[in-house]
Amino acid sequence: DVKVTQSSRYLVKRTGEKVFLECVQDMDHENMFWYRQDPGLGLRLIYFSYDVKMKEKGDIPEGYSVSREKKERFSLILESASTNQTSMYLCASSRGRGGYTFGSGTRLTVV
Amino acid sequence: QQQVKQSPQSLIVQKGGIPIINCAYENTAFDYFPWYQQFPGKGPALLIAIRPDVSEKKEGRFTISFNKSAKQFSLHIMDSQPGDSATYFCAASKGRNRDDKIIFGKGTRLHILP
Repeated sequence: DVKVTQSSRYLVKRTGEKVFLECVQDMDHENMFWYRQDPGLGLRLIYFSYDVKMKEKGDIPEGYSVSREKKERFSLILESASTNQTSMYLCASSRGRGGYTFGSGTRLTVV
Repeated sequence: QQQVKQSPQSLIVQKGGIPIINCAYENTAFDYFPWYQQFPGKGPALLIAIRPDVSEKKEGRFTISFNKSAKQFSLHIMDSQPGDSATYFCAASKGRNRDDKIIFGKGTRLHILP
């Protein structure tokens, strides 16, 4: 089975801190995605990547950046965390046009 | 035109009932329609998917009905159980290019009463 692992289940950070959310997949998938999930708003795409060192903005990239130095790892970076970035963050991967495999999520609280 | 509209936002059904979740889309280029199931504390997982060349697909107690002319599709859960309580997302994607992302609906929180 494809496994997508997010390094932290729960994270509490202070306003202004730089935050790194890590995601690793073990099935050699080309495509990786970062979403945030908020009640009533569904899944909103932040950034995605179709190859190493490649990144594309999603629907809500402001305040975020990403890094993909290796095929299996896709990191989401909050340059200066703010309280409105408190959310559930979900990483996903896919091969070609197959369905997405999601990680279990990181619930981030910014205080 | 890229949206997928999902309803209802929440649904409560008695055990054994048949909850129905509806989705509608505008872009006729969409050609892949997956449904995802998400339990509390977990990421969404692919449940069942359909392509527009068929009108219905069944997998166990889960059925997708697809109406191409109306640009609508729906998920039915037969003999629903409390263990089916979860959030369900419909989705759509198009084309064969790798930059054609999956577009998700906003989700339906389903609660099955015991």
